[in-house]
Amino acid sequence: QVQLAQSGAEVKKPGASVKVSCKASGYTFGHNYIHWVRQAPGQGLEWMAMILPGGATTSYAQNFQGRLTVTVDTSTTTLYMELSSLRSEDTALYFCARDNQAFDVWGQGTMVTVSS
Amino acid sequence: DVVLTQTPLSSPVTLGQPASISCRSSESLVHSDGNTYLSWLHQRPGQPPRLLIYKISNRFSGVPDRFSGSGAGTDFTLKISRVEAEDVGVYYCMQATQFPPVWTFGQGTKVEIK
Repeated sequence: QVQLAQSGAEVKKPGASVKVSCKASGYTFGHNYIHWVRQAPGQGLEWMAMILPGGATTSYAQNFQGRLTVTVDTSTTTLYMELSSLRSEDTALYFCARDNQAFDVWGQGTMVTVSS
Repeated sequence: DVVLTQTPLSSPVTLGQPASISCRSSESLVHSDGNTYLSWLHQRPGQPPRLLIYKISNRFSGVPDRFSGSGAGTDFTLKISRVEAEDVGVYYCMQATQFPPVWTFGQGTKVEIK
C-alpha cells in the first residue's frame, strides 16, 4: 500500500538546522507532488512547501523563503525537508503528504523540538 | 493570499445527531482547469490528518457515507448526518491556489461529544 515513512524525532538548539526525511513506497514515484506541512503544539496546520519528484519543481510558502529547502533522492524515493536558523517557534510536528488531487496519504509526522 | 474561515470553531454534538461545518474563502476557489480543489481533512489527537472529501464533494476511499461535502465558489460545507464517537477530533478545510501555488488550511473545527 501507499506509505510515507518519516524519520524520527529531533531536538535542536536555536540557530541550528534540521533535516527530516520522508520515504515513499507503494506507488509510482515521481507522478505526484509531495508537500510538507507543520503543526505547532495545539495549533492548526501550516503549509510549508511542495516538490514534484519527477522534475524537482518546488514551491515555498512566503513565511519560509530563504530558510527552507526541499529536495528529493529519486534513487531511494526519499524526500527531504531542511529548515535552517531554527528558533523556538519552529517547534512543531512536521508532516509530508502526497498530492493526488488532494492530500490523500500522510506520513506519521516528525516532532522537531527547538530548545536551548 | 486566500484565507479560509471555518465556523464554528467548536462543535459539541450529541451522538446520532447531525453536525455541519462551514468553510468560507476570501476569494473564488475555481481553478483555471474548471475544478475546485477544496478538500476536508479529519485529525484525531496524536494522529496525522486523513482525507475525507476532495474537490468539494467527493468522498475519499473508505470514508463512510454519513460524511458529505457541498458548496461552490467561496462557500463550502461539510456535513455529518449522524455523528458517531469515532468522529471526534478536528476538521480542516483546505484549498490550493494556482498562481502562486500556495495551499491554505482553515483554522480547524473541534468536534466533541456532549
